[in-house]
Amino acid sequence: AQSVSQHNHHVILSEAASLELGCNYSYGGTVNLFWYVQYPGQHLQLLLKYFSGDPLVKGIKGFEAEFIKSKFSFNLRKPSVQWSDTAEYFCAVNINQAGTALIFGKGTTLSVSS
Amino acid sequence: GAGVSQSPRYKVAKRGQDVALRCDPISGHVSLFWYQQALGQGPEFLTYFQNEAQLDKSGLPSDRFFAERPEGSVSTLKIQRTQQEDSAVYLCASSPWGARTDTQYFGPGTRLTVL
Repeated sequence: AQSVSQHNHHVILSEAASLELGCNYSYGGTVNLFWYVQYPGQHLQLLLKYFSGDPLVKGIKGFEAEFIKSKFSFNLRKPSVQWSDTAEYFCAVNINQAGTALIFGKGTTLSVSS
Repeated sequence: GAGVSQSPRYKVAKRGQDVALRCDPISGHVSLFWYQQALGQGPEFLTYFQNEAQLDKSGLPSDRFFAERPEGSVSTLKIQRTQQEDSAVYLCASSPWGARTDTQYFGPGTRLTVL
């Protein structure tokens, strides 16, 4: 079965540190890739998505992600985190052969100290 | 505009009770999804509607789970004879069309606790 792996369960950073959250998926065909974020007490919301074109995609709040097809990866990055980035981050994939539902990873909790 | 809303936000049920969870999608959105999120896990797909048609129910864990969207807008997820393993957050999401590249907009979820 297709799956999404997020390597880090909990990441703790100081403000201004750089962030990279890993995401790998297990499917060899065409995929659409998403990063969602859930701030404390809020809904899941989209950070960014990739479905074609430039493999480096930019999202809201200075986040970006790079799709590397050969590595089945879609890692999330931010050059300098802020305290307000404290949240849970979910990587998700939609597989073209399997309908429109999203397959989510288990999530990574990011804690940023000021 | 208004986002996806869900009610109730919290539900406590005794084992064996039936529960009904409601989702109001963004007005005009064609697609509606239900997901189940257990503690410490990512959301897992349950079922998908396009308008009133339930096109995919492959994620429903048992025949105790039933979902409907009779008029193509509001949806209800019903769980019969609840069990402790049904305790989770139930998320509803809607998207404008049925395209795989659509952004799914999530509601706040209903936290179900089965005692």
